[in-house]
Amino acid sequence: EAEVAQSPRYKITEKSQAVAFWCDPISGHATLYWYRQILGQGPELLVQFQDESVVDDSQLPKDRFSAERLKGVDSTLKIQPAELGDSAMYLCASSLAGRDTDTQYFGPGTRLTVL
Amino acid sequence: AQTVTQSQPEMSVQEAETVTLSCTYDTSESNYYLFWYKQPPSRQMILVIRQEAYKQQNATENRFSVNFQKAAKSFSLKISDSQLGDTAMYFCAFMTSGRDDKIIFGKGTRLHILP
Repeated sequence: EAEVAQSPRYKITEKSQAVAFWCDPISGHATLYWYRQILGQGPELLVQFQDESVVDDSQLPKDRFSAERLKGVDSTLKIQPAELGDSAMYLCASSLAGRDTDTQYFGPGTRLTVL
Repeated sequence: AQTVTQSQPEMSVQEAETVTLSCTYDTSESNYYLFWYKQPPSRQMILVIRQEAYKQQNATENRFSVNFQKAAKSFSLKISDSQLGDTAMYFCAFMTSGRDDKIIFGKGTRLHILP
């Protein structure tokens, strides 16, 4: 069964360093989502792509976070510089076309620890 | 703004028992979707069950069923004949009907199934 792939699974970094996370959605899925899940809370959407275009990045801290999906397939989320409060699980999800009837499939996540 | 509230941070039940997880939400929308997602330890989040608000019939998926009370804005999940593999975080989530609308998650309920 096709799955959403993410790497790395774990990342430890020091504050002020740059980090990057990668996501490969299920083949054929046009819509890709990046979520942040702080320990003890539910995921919160950071950015949503439809193919290579950003649909919603209203919750993305744009002074330090950036996301791209250049060819409309895989995606990279970058944080520069990382802050202590960025420690969280970063989840990627994809859906077929972003319609409200489409199920979102989640990857295993990248757990970021900022020291 | 839409909100999702899960009032039970943690629950424990014996294997084979029935357990009900509570969820309430707040919205002024009339068309929307409700979801229960399961996040097992160190594994990806998966969709357990979804309910369209316009449907009066409660959704059922094998041992999982919901009690959807639209007027009360309540959406509880019942797990029958609970199994050890049901141990996980369970998130209630809400999404308005329409393309590109984002999912709003609750804070989750940690469910332990005891042998």
